[in-house]
This record gives sequence, structure tokens and C-alpha cells, in this order.
Amino acid sequence: AQKITQTQPGMFVQEKEAVTLDCTYDTSDPSYGLFWYKQPSSGEMIFLIYQGSYDQQNATEGRYSLNFQKARKSANLVISASQLGDSAMYFCAMMGGSGGSNYKLTFGKGTLLTVNP
Amino acid sequence: DAGITQSPRHKVTETGTPVTLRCHQTENHRYMYWYRQDPGHGLRLIHYSYGVKDTDKGEVSDGYSVSRSKTEDFLLTLESATSSQTSVYFCAIRASAHQETQYFGPGTRLLVL
Repeated sequence: AQKITQTQPGMFVQEKEAVTLDCTYDTSDPSYGLFWYKQPSSGEMIFLIYQGSYDQQNATEGRYSLNFQKARKSANLVISASQLGDSAMYFCAMMGGSGGSNYKLTFGKGTLLTVNP
Repeated sequence: DAGITQSPRHKVTETGTPVTLRCHQTENHRYMYWYRQDPGHGLRLIHYSYGVKDTDKGEVSDGYSVSRSKTEDFLLTLESATSSQTSVYFCAIRASAHQETQYFGPGTRLLVL
């Protein structure tokens, strides 16, 4: 069974500062994928970034980067230069194995990020 | 934009009535998923489909059924709605060409009175 843990129910950050949102995972699959999604107050789920378990480098997408520490089973999201529009709920998710898992996602409970001006 | 629409976007219904939610996609994706989102639980998988007429249960499938008679449509049915099924329902597709990323529809807010 797979499990995603997000230990920070809420986080606050000042505008223009960097912030790290924590995510730890548990799986017995040797191959897996890790995702981060953003959910603003409007409710839509927005894909941010992906990290494959065999990727040698940490994933980056603009101001988002994923700090992947495989031995520690952590996949923290780093947002640089926070903006007011970054205020949202952030979900970490895992896709286990290969096609045998049917690409199902397991989600954490989320972290609510508030960016202060 | 992954070309996913959900209907209705909002629905209020009474306990015991049947409800069907529709997910429609325009890009011929094979895999489709239904999730529910509740406070304190994140998103949980209800059912998924890996092709026309091919479906399987997810983590929280009790009280729900699904059907997929066409590639583009994935229907979620609450046979007899209960108050515990009040939730936000998201449909998603798997984009095999984009690192297996799932892209989500806009969601349906369902209130069961």
C-alpha cells in the first residue's frame, strides 16, 4: 500500500520569500512517480511538477522545484519568490509502479499556504 | 487545458435519490478516474476506467457505480444518495504523453440533504 504524508496543515510565507512544503511517502514499488498539485480557492486542481523515482536530477518548473531525497522518501516542494497568487492548498501525490497499478494516484491531505504581503 | 468537462457543476439532491455525474473528454484518453474531495482527506479514488467498458474500484467505491460506453464519457452514479456522499467530485484523465500526469476537470459540488 502507498501512503503520502503532509505534516504541515498550514504554512505562512512573506511575499518574495521562498517556502518549502513537506511531503513524505511510503511505497514498496521500485518505480513510482511523485506529483504536486495546487488548488486555489476557486477549486480547480492544477498540476505543478512531476518527479520520477529513477530521475537523477530534481525536477524544476519555473519557480517550482522538487527536492527529492529518495533514501529519506521525501519529495518536498520548494516555491521560490512567493507571490500572492501562490496562496492555495497544495497536494502531494504518488503514482505507484508501472502500468500494473493502472496509474492510480494516492494523495496527501494537503497544506494550505498563505502568502502575506 | 486537457479538454475535460464535468456536468453538472453543482447539484443539490435529497437522500435516497439517484444521481449521475458526467465526465466528458475530447482527447481520446484511455484512462479516466473519479475522485472525491472532503476536508481533511485530500482526494480519494472512487472508481477508474482503463478503456471502454473496462472499469475497476478505487479506495472508496461503496455506494457508487460507474459506466463507460464511449471513450469520451465516464459516468459516476450514486444509486441512492446519502448525506455522507456530500462532497466535491473530480474527474481526471491520464495523459500518457506527459509523464503519466493526471489532469483534472473543474469538479462537481454535490450536496445531499
